[in-house]
This record gives sequence, structure tokens and C-alpha cells, in this order.
Amino acid sequence: DAGVIQSPRHEVTEMGQEVTLRCKPISGHDYLFWYRQTMMRGLELLIYFNNNVPIDDSGMPEDRFSAKMPNASFSTLKIQPSEPRDSAVYFCASSPPPGIGAYNEQFFGPGTRLTVL
Amino acid sequence: QQQVKQSPQSLIVQKGGISIINCAYENTAFDYFPWYQQFPGKGPALLIAIRPDVSEKKEGRFTISFNKSAKQFSLHIMDSQPGDSATYFCAASRSYGQNFVFGPGTRLSVLP
Repeated sequence: DAGVIQSPRHEVTEMGQEVTLRCKPISGHDYLFWYRQTMMRGLELLIYFNNNVPIDDSGMPEDRFSAKMPNASFSTLKIQPSEPRDSAVYFCASSPPPGIGAYNEQFFGPGTRLTVL
Repeated sequence: QQQVKQSPQSLIVQKGGISIINCAYENTAFDYFPWYQQFPGKGPALLIAIRPDVSEKKEGRFTISFNKSAKQFSLHIMDSQPGDSATYFCAASRSYGQNFVFGPGTRLSVLP
């Protein structure tokens, strides 16, 4: 398996622009998580899905952030409009159903480094 | 109640030494305590994990010690190697599929 795939790996944009980050979870995994990592705040959970349905979006910082999971193999995290304080590394992770693999293990993608100028 | 505290923030150890990282939690509903290892430019990857029904788990040079009454758990890396230099995160979750609460991380440097 290729693991969790994220694109783009790096994104540089200007303040006010729309940014879309993409994630393909591991096939067969039914949980998908979006995290943000910064030096100041560490790893923060933004939102997670189970079977394509958002379960907890309490970590989404504000209405400028939105996430979708239209099918089991694809999710997007969108920031509109972007601001310099959104600069961070954004990780997608997926997890298999109960009974498959290690209990509750999350598999992380390589991340997208976002820079908003 | 959701917070997981982690110390030290950074750690420097000589090759062959023992690295010890400590974590503490407050929410007694947590039932899964993983440690993730992250190398620069990479996503975190599961290193070892424990559930509250055991007090210790060992995998190779890595050991988790768990103290349920004190609500603390720690990672011990025996015979530390330069290749172990990475950032280590402890985490906790309430039940299967629930989101993790991550500690702030410990940057470990193992000197050759």
C-alpha cells in the first residue's frame, strides 16, 4: 500500500487566496483525520470523519476553514481566504476499522507545508 | 481535562544511554496511550502503544511504563542511537476511533 497520500507537498500563496489541500487515505480505512502542526501549538486536530461523515469539527479554527470527504478515498481541506497565521504543516491521517491492524493506530501522510505570505 | 502534558521539551543523550520522556494526563476516560515518532519533514509514525490493563510494554529497545493511579506514562529508549534523534509525541484517546490528544512533543538528540 502507498500509505496516506497528500498533495501538494508544499504550497506558497498570498494572503486572501483560496487554498485546497488534498488527501487520499489508505484503502479500507474508515477514519480520516486532519491535523495542523506549528511550533507554537504543536499537533492540533482540526476535524475527523468516520465513513465519510464529519464526527468532530470542534478544532476547525474558524469559518474560513472547511473540510469535505465526498467518498472513501478522497478528502479536502479548504482555507478561504487564507491568512499568514494559517502557515503550518497540515497532516492527514487515516485509521482502519476495529479488528484490523493495531488498535486505534493512525497512519499519517507526509504533510503539506503551507506558507501564506 | 483533555490536556496531555509532556516533559522534557528537549533531551540530549549520549549514544548508548537511556532516554526517558514523561507524560501525564487528567482524563480518566482515556484508554489508549500511543507514542509517535516524527523525523524532520515526515509525518508522525506509531512507535509503541499501551492500554491501561498492563503496566509495561516492551518492543525492542523501546518500553512504555504506565502508572494508572498517578495518571502518568513514560517512554524509555534503551541503548539510544543517533538514528533515534527525532521528535517524540505522547498521546491519549478515549476509545476506538476517537481523536487523539497529543502532548507538545520532545525533541531528542542522540550524540554519536
